Amino acid sequence: RKEVEQDPGPFNVPEGATVAFNCTYSNSASQSFFWYRQDCRKEPKLLMSVYSSGNEDGRFTAQLNRASQYISLLIRDSKLSDSATYLCVVSGYNQGGKLIFGQGTELSVKP
Amino acid sequence: ETGVTQSPTHLIKTRGQQVTLRCSSQSGHNTVSWYQQALGQGPQFIFQYYREEENGRGNFPPRFSGLQFPNYSSELNVNALELDDSALYLCASSPRGGGDYGYTFGSGTRLTVV
Repeated sequence: RKEVEQDPGPFNVPEGATVAFNCTYSNSASQSFFWYRQDCRKEPKLLMSVYSSGNEDGRFTAQLNRASQYISLLIRDSKLSDSATYLCVVSGYNQGGKLIFGQGTELSVKP
Repeated sequence: ETGVTQSPTHLIKTRGQQVTLRCSSQSGHNTVSWYQQALGQGPQFIFQYYREEENGRGNFPPRFSGLQFPNYSSELNVNALELDDSALYLCASSPRGGGDYGYTFGSGTRLTVV
């Protein structure tokens, strides 16, 4: 079993759609959670950190459920520029501080 | 403030050769990690350096080795290259010893082994 598992892609949605990505992680001692965005084989860039209380950044909302070991990302009113691969990432001091990435989910927003 | 820079950007090597990839960490960052990203996969952790010491290693063979220098820049060395080593190699730096402070990634070195 992979340490971080994400929904398989690709997701093809029209502009303006709402899309949700899900992710599960296996290590209950994980402490930090992130969503990264990666464009066309460029470097991953931090989209947002994820907290148990949930957090929102404009059109993006992230949720963490520690009991279920589940992380989600919701994108509202999708834009063409949202097309990218979204990577679910976990980390923790008992994991040596390393980032553990999911496989990534590709999103393609069409006009 | 400069970000994380990696060199070279692209590289083609022959199977069995050795390669050295370089990374300059972001100003103020003392932790550097290296990741390998194969096509269609998420990045996989290779190892991490904190204040010139390796303090974490992923599931990679010993022919993957590294160094961190006093200025916190780092090198990744791969000996006896194999075809499966073809990937994007990413360097990431962090302001502390890893954890939840977020990492800044360089743009990567794309290595092709033929």
